[in-house]
Amino acid sequence: ETGVTQSPTHLIKTRGQQVTLRCSSQSGHNTVSWYQQALGQGPQFIFQYYREEENGRGNFPPRFSGLQFPNYSSELNVNALELDDSALYLCASSQNTHPGEQFFGPGTRLTVL
Amino acid sequence: SQQGEEDPQALSIQEGENATMNCSYKTSINNLQWYRQNSGRGLVHLILIRSNEREKHSGRLRVTLDTSKKSSSLLITASRAADTASYFCATDFQGAQKLVFGQGTRLTINP
Repeated sequence: ETGVTQSPTHLIKTRGQQVTLRCSSQSGHNTVSWYQQALGQGPQFIFQYYREEENGRGNFPPRFSGLQFPNYSSELNVNALELDDSALYLCASSQNTHPGEQFFGPGTRLTVL
Repeated sequence: SQQGEEDPQALSIQEGENATMNCSYKTSINNLQWYRQNSGRGLVHLILIRSNEREKHSGRLRVTLDTSKKSSSLLITASRAADTASYFCATDFQGAQKLVFGQGTRLTINP
């Protein structure tokens, strides 16, 4: 157990809808990163939040957005859902003084119909 | 692309045997990490090796890093059925906390 929690566990949406995924970071960690993992693929970096601001972004369109709260928890929002957004969404927390070492939550499985 | 590549894509061995997985990457790194993922679940951090280290051990795991060849290997000794999972290497990118993952090696341990 890493101490990183995500909700919900599973989610089914239809094309065009919007979704919000949530993540609570491990105690003592101030940085949250989000990854998308399509079936059979490795995780791909979406973006990272540090001190409530976006601190790096991968190759994802603007309809993927996020927030980080003062308690370091985070949300991932996806607007105008597409079928290809179906994936496992992983949240990882880290302490900025230890670059690279990230601890992952169990993920949210999103299915878009 | 800075993505790493694992080799082989799939590996099936008998319980008790050793399993070796390889990872290659393209850019200079500060560190390389190995993660395990059981079917459709979150990633479990196994080991981190820094660019100035050549070998690291953790229990039945042995990781090597060759920065001149931009490659790493993960050895699992005396494999167990519970080791059945997908294994990913991940590298940091330009010192940022962004991790770049390979496609993974799917390891099956047969009883």
